Amino acid sequence: AQKVTQTQTSISVVEKTTVTMDCVYETRDSSYFLFWYKQTASGEIVFLIRQDSYKKENATVGHYSLNFQKPKSSIGLIITATQIEDSAVYFCAMREGRDNYAQGLTFGLGTRVSVFP
Amino acid sequence: AQTIHQWPVAEIKAVGSPLSLGCTIKGKSSPNLYWYWQATGGTLQQLFYSITVGQVESVVQLNLSASRPKDDQFILSTEKLLLSHSGFYLCAWSPGLGSAETLYFGSGTRLTVL
Repeated sequence: AQKVTQTQTSISVVEKTTVTMDCVYETRDSSYFLFWYKQTASGEIVFLIRQDSYKKENATVGHYSLNFQKPKSSIGLIITATQIEDSAVYFCAMREGRDNYAQGLTFGLGTRVSVFP
Repeated sequence: AQTIHQWPVAEIKAVGSPLSLGCTIKGKSSPNLYWYWQATGGTLQQLFYSITVGQVESVVQLNLSASRPKDDQFILSTEKLLLSHSGFYLCAWSPGLGSAETLYFGSGTRLTVL
């Protein structure tokens, strides 16, 4: 069974600096897909970025990038040049590439990021 | 562009009363649909998924049921609410094309059971 672990409960950073969040996953599948979502104060869940297991290059979207370390089953999220509006809860999620893909994503517990001026 | 609309935005209900939550997806035919539940301060727990009209699979038993009466509609319901049903309910969709799919979430329904 797949499992996603986020050990950092909360992180505080100063605006315009870089924040890094950890995520470790477990799967027996050779093919899988990793996602990061952001939950804002209103509860809205926004998709940020994804990494497909077969891709060696780290994904980058805007000021979000991933640190994919496959041998360590790790997918870290890096946010550069943070802004106040990056304050949110960040969830790591995974989907295995089996036939029962329709089951959806498994989420970690989330990491709360607070960005201060 | 695809849009997902959830209703109601919030509900306050009594223990033992019935519940019906819904979501509608526009701009995408035959999407995969999902219900997730989030306790306050918790993670997202998948409840149900559906890949086609009339077919719903349960992932977690929480004394809830789901139905997909139309291609673009997903309903979550129960006849008798429990205190433990309180939380944030999120509907999500994915294109339904394969395993390499991103889920996109609605704005959620906040449920308080008293």
